[in-house]
Amino acid sequence: KAGVTQTPRYLIKTRGQQVTLSCSPISGHRSVSWYQQTPGQGLQFLFEYFSETQRNKGNFPGRFSGRQFSNSRSEMNVSTLELGDSALYLCASSKEGSSGNTIYFGEGSWLTVV
Amino acid sequence: SQKIEQNSEALNIQEGKTATLTCNYTNYSPAYLQWYRQDPGRGPVFLLLIRENEKEKRKERLKVTFDTTLKQSLFHITASQPADSATYLCALDPHRGYALNFGKGTSLLVTP
Repeated sequence: KAGVTQTPRYLIKTRGQQVTLSCSPISGHRSVSWYQQTPGQGLQFLFEYFSETQRNKGNFPGRFSGRQFSNSRSEMNVSTLELGDSALYLCASSKEGSSGNTIYFGEGSWLTVV
Repeated sequence: SQKIEQNSEALNIQEGKTATLTCNYTNYSPAYLQWYRQDPGRGPVFLLLIRENEKEKRKERLKVTFDTTLKQSLFHITASQPADSATYLCALDPHRGYALNFGKGTSLLVTP
């Protein structure tokens, strides 16, 4: 079966702009979570959605937001981009969520803010 | 504060030997712990999950132990191969909910 698909794979944005990243989970998976990965901080949890509801949110500013659609596809948005937002943004899907379940990561979206 | 510590120094071992990676944590009471493999430029790949009531879990050449008293997990790769070279991440559920906190990973290099 197809894995987790993230688009775009690479993008370059300018400070102050906003960006939207997209994630298509594995068919049948209702939980989608987002992570930011940087060399300094490692992988950090952003938020998790299940059946269009945000169930958990990490410690990130309000500039980071997300949503999930009825088909389980998810988007995350970062507004007013800062240089420090340059990172690999990873989406992961699972049937019910990460609690004791296997989660599957996509290949990520590489965001560079200049 | 909650911390997950993995050895930041790369681990270099010879092919055929057993690689042992360590994950220590503080201020967690995890219901389970997970190990992932990540190759450069790729997303992490799930390897093993061990629950708090399990001492050891095995999958092919992989073995994970979980000591909730020591607050430590050990990840072993036996008969290591150059293809095992990657970064290995451990992850914990901080709130028994729907998020994972990851360690920063340990880079493993297996040389022929």
